[in-house]
Amino acid sequence: DTGVSQNPRHKITKRGQNVTFRCDPISEHNRLYWYRQTLGQGPEFLTYFQNEAQLEKSRLLSDRFSAERPKGSFSTLEIQRTEQGDSAMYLCASSPRSSTEAFFGQGTRLTVV
Amino acid sequence: KQEVTQIPAALSVPEGENLVLNCSFTDSAIYNLQWFRQDPGKGLTSLLLIQSSQREQTSGRLNASLDKSSGRSTLYIAASQPGDSATYLCAVRPDQGAQKLVFGQGTRLTINP
Repeated sequence: DTGVSQNPRHKITKRGQNVTFRCDPISEHNRLYWYRQTLGQGPEFLTYFQNEAQLEKSRLLSDRFSAERPKGSFSTLEIQRTEQGDSAMYLCASSPRSSTEAFFGQGTRLTVV
Repeated sequence: KQEVTQIPAALSVPEGENLVLNCSFTDSAIYNLQWFRQDPGKGLTSLLLIQSSQREQTSGRLNASLDKSSGRSTLYIAASQPGDSATYLCAVRPDQGAQKLVFGQGTRLTINP
């Protein structure tokens, strides 16, 4: 197992375009999280899935953001009509059933120009 | 609302020194605390997880302590090496039912050869 995998690693997009990121958690981890990190700050929680159910969403997750986890495996995070303020590192993490320890991926760096 | 603070924001020390990184949190009712390392432009690597009932955890040259009553945790790094240069983040899980981690802003550590 190679850990949490995120794709793409980098994405540059023009303002107003839609983007989608993918996260593959560690196999058999039933919990999956998305965080956003801006330069010089710690990550901020966006949303949480247990299996395929999205159980918690932050108020940071505006209506332009949507996340899914079909079949409780990989997850996608879509941002519609991107704005320059969406530029950040988007981090995915997963946890096993037996522990609350979070394991993070390498992140997707989004730049909106 | 739980807030996590890490001071200093940046620290530079000569190779070989022992050092302590600090983390404080405003609400002592936490479930656990996790220390992470983040290299520039990369994701987070979990270093140590301390449950609320524990006082410390050790891994190699790293030792993390937790004093819940005073809302503090420290990460002790022994015999620092240039490869330890990174940003160190602490994060608390507010309670057993909470799924999100609340992060500090990190301490950027530089070990000078």
